[in-house]
Amino acid sequence: GAGVSQTPSNKVTEKGKYVELRCDPISGHTALYWYRQSLGQGPEFLIYFQGTGAADDSGLPNDRFFAVRPEGSVSTLKIQRTERGDSAVYLCASSLTGINSPLHFGNGTRLTVT
Amino acid sequence: QKEVEQNSGPLSVPEGAIASLNCTYSDRVSQSFFWYRQYSGKSPELIMSIYSNGDKEDGRFTAQLNKASQYVSLLIRDSQPSDSATYLCAVTDNTDKLIFGTGTRLQVFP
Repeated sequence: GAGVSQTPSNKVTEKGKYVELRCDPISGHTALYWYRQSLGQGPEFLIYFQGTGAADDSGLPNDRFFAVRPEGSVSTLKIQRTERGDSAVYLCASSLTGINSPLHFGNGTRLTVT
Repeated sequence: QKEVEQNSGPLSVPEGAIASLNCTYSDRVSQSFFWYRQYSGKSPELIMSIYSNGDKEDGRFTAQLNKASQYVSLLIRDSQPSDSATYLCAVTDNTDKLIFGTGTRLQVFP
């Protein structure tokens, strides 16, 4: 079956621009997570959705970052006024019910801010 | 203090040896513990989960948990070159989100 799909796989943008990163989770998975991974580091938690609602957004670094999941399936991570420090791989993961069911990761979106 | 600590490595072991990967965590209320494998340029994939003290075996992999010492480890028996990857330890925090360590890079040489 289809896994977690993330688009685009690569995104290059100029400093100050707005970007949207999309995540299509595994069908039927109610929990969806966004992580950010920099080179040589482990994934850093950003936000967690249970259904349509953000259950925990404590990892979003500042108000330039926002994420939505309006119908409880596809999620979009939105970054305004991008900065060079936002460059990283953005990983999306979904799980059937939440933290105690396995997380399945997508292949990530590599964001480069020039 | 980082919530999940791992030695970044690289840990180099010869083919056929046992690789031992270690992880400590700071949150005493953590309940669930996971090991993920990440090949270079790829996304993490779950290889083991453990929830109670003791050992859990799955094929060549054994996860060990000691909640009193706040320590979790992964043993890989009969290591193969294909096991060369970064191994990420992940722990649930008190709000049920998964916190990752920085990972240990394992190199298995023929």
